[in-house]
Amino acid sequence: GAVVSQHPSWVICKSGTSVKIECRSLDFQATTMFWYRQFPKQSLMLMATSNEGSKATYEQGVEKDKFLINHASLTLSTLTVTSAHPEDSSFYICSASIAGRGTSSTGELFFGEGSRLTVL
Amino acid sequence: GQQLNQSPQSMFIQEGEDVSMNCTSSSIFNTWLWYKQDPGEGPVLLIALYKAGELTSNGRLTAQFGITRKDSFLNISASIPSDVGIYFCAGHGGSQGNLIFGKGTKLSVKP
Repeated sequence: GAVVSQHPSWVICKSGTSVKIECRSLDFQATTMFWYRQFPKQSLMLMATSNEGSKATYEQGVEKDKFLINHASLTLSTLTVTSAHPEDSSFYICSASIAGRGTSSTGELFFGEGSRLTVL
Repeated sequence: GQQLNQSPQSMFIQEGEDVSMNCTSSSIFNTWLWYKQDPGEGPVLLIALYKAGELTSNGRLTAQFGITRKDSFLNISASIPSDVGIYFCAGHGGSQGNLIFGKGTKLSVKP
């Protein structure tokens, strides 16, 4: 149980285009999903916290108009990188906490497989 | 903000050897988690610790929640080539705040 799936696993796009990454919890409901960014050989950097039915909470320094997050249902959150530029190339990983568990109590998160974005 | 110091940064060991890595923090955490990340993949939860002093095993992996709640270690016994990857510790302070990650320990195992 507690499987989180991301799609696409990798994407290459031209500069200026927008890219959407989906994050789904397959066998549980996730009231909260988290989006991370990871540069090569670095740790995970939290970008934003996505709450079902409400606006996402962005970490300091993350542009909310650049990284649009939508959490329309208890099993799906999307991250759209708008007008992508080469510096947006990175590994984006989502994670989810199980409704009733997770960062409100234990902090246990389940991660997706990650999506590698390359902007040419 | 809260930071975790994870060490060592990298390890090169022979197959069959035991491995130990740890994380320390200046702040108290209520939960310690250990994840493994393979290249190009998302982190996979290995062990979750919820109580100070707790010692938990998962196969050849053993992790402990430090009694001061400011540290945790992960041991891997009799390492095998598939143990290769980056291991991250993560701490959570409770109802407030997010999961804080260490910088990772890269493990290389020589057959």
